Amino acid sequence: GAVVSQHPSRVICKSGTSVKIECRSLDFQATTMFWYRQFPKQSLMLMATSNEGSKATYEQGVEKDKFLINHASLTLSTLTVTSAHPEDSSFYICSARDIGTSTDTQYFGPGTRLTVL
Amino acid sequence: QKEVEQNSGPLSVPEGAIASLNCTYSDRGSQSFFWYRQYSGKSPELIMFIYSNGDKEDGRFTAQLNKASQYVSLLIRDSQPSDSATYLCAVNPKNTDKLIFGTGTRLQVFP
Repeated sequence: GAVVSQHPSRVICKSGTSVKIECRSLDFQATTMFWYRQFPKQSLMLMATSNEGSKATYEQGVEKDKFLINHASLTLSTLTVTSAHPEDSSFYICSARDIGTSTDTQYFGPGTRLTVL
Repeated sequence: QKEVEQNSGPLSVPEGAIASLNCTYSDRGSQSFFWYRQYSGKSPELIMFIYSNGDKEDGRFTAQLNKASQYVSLLIRDSQPSDSATYLCAVNPKNTDKLIFGTGTRLQVFP
């Protein structure tokens, strides 16, 4: 149980293009999903909290117009990196909380490695 | 002061030994605590969580929480080379659904 998928697992794009990453909870419902970014040899940095049916809450320093988040259903959240630049190259990981439990446990997707040329 | 602190390591232990990983946190109102394991190039996977003071055991893993000292640890018994990874401590502060992660401790188990 508590499986989270991400698609794509790896993407290479040209500078200036937009990239959409999907995060799905496969066997549970998640009213809240989280998006993280991790640069090499660094820890996870929370980018935003995605709530089903409402606007995402972004962490300080994260541009909401550049990183568009949509959480249209209880099992799907998407992150779109708009006008990507080489400095956006990173490992993007989503996590989801199971609303069927009383814990705050977050289950992580396998991550998406983005390379912007 | 960082909200969640861990020694970056590497912590090197021989196969079969006990590995002890430590974490301190700054928000005294924090309510839940998590240990994740992250292999290189992969996303974190949950090992266990703990809410109450004391010990919680799950197989070879034991989490220990001391809220008075704002300290949480993870013991890995009978360490195996496959346990070699970065271990992330995460804390859920009061009145938020976010997790605050430490920078992780790299564990190396050598045969």
